[in-house]
Amino acid sequence: DGGITQSPKYLFRKEGQNVTLSCEQNLNHDAMYWYRQDPGQGLRLIYYSQIVNDFQKGDIAEGYSVSREKKESFPLTVTSAQKNPTAFYLCASSIAGVSTDTQYFGPGTRLTVL
Amino acid sequence: KQEVTQIPAALSVPEGENLVLNCSFTDSAIYNLQWFRQDPGKGLTSLLLIQSSQREQTSGRLNASLDKSSGRSTLYIAASQPGDSATYLCAVSPILIYNQGGKLIFGQGTELSVKP
Repeated sequence: DGGITQSPKYLFRKEGQNVTLSCEQNLNHDAMYWYRQDPGQGLRLIYYSQIVNDFQKGDIAEGYSVSREKKESFPLTVTSAQKNPTAFYLCASSIAGVSTDTQYFGPGTRLTVL
Repeated sequence: KQEVTQIPAALSVPEGENLVLNCSFTDSAIYNLQWFRQDPGKGLTSLLLIQSSQREQTSGRLNASLDKSSGRSTLYIAASQPGDSATYLCAVSPILIYNQGGKLIFGQGTELSVKP
């Protein structure tokens, strides 16, 4: 089956810890994205990548970091510098990362800070 | 700055009713507008994508319209069913001076409940 997988489904973080969220796609898409969703709000873009070994900051990149070493994988690290990390995190991909593309979303990871 | 608004935030209707969800955006410089469905605790599923040159798109019981000049889009759901209960989000792809590779700007969503 082609699609986007995210793991884990639920993640708990202690204060001061860094945690990494996994996102993998087998759609052969060039572009991948990370969004954050807070209750009652729309999605906000954290980082995106249009090609391997390149990525750009979105609207709320502070306290987050990413890497894109492989086309299929775009992991997101939530660092201790992110002051309010509790949220639902969604990964997406699109064919070429151009503005006319449809984005396809993974099932999400819910991160809770203890 | 592009802003996307969806009203109402929540809507409850009896089964079988036709309904309209609204989406408004402040800047008409967009490539396209998409409607997504999100079930509780799940990711997003794309329902319809309307390119800026189009006026509407249809898929089954769903019809989405786009009026760029007024900054509005509607999602019409015919003969609603309990299985349509979900949150519906709209998103625009803005035309930006610098290449920002497919960035989407989302509304807050409308939570729809269809009662049997």
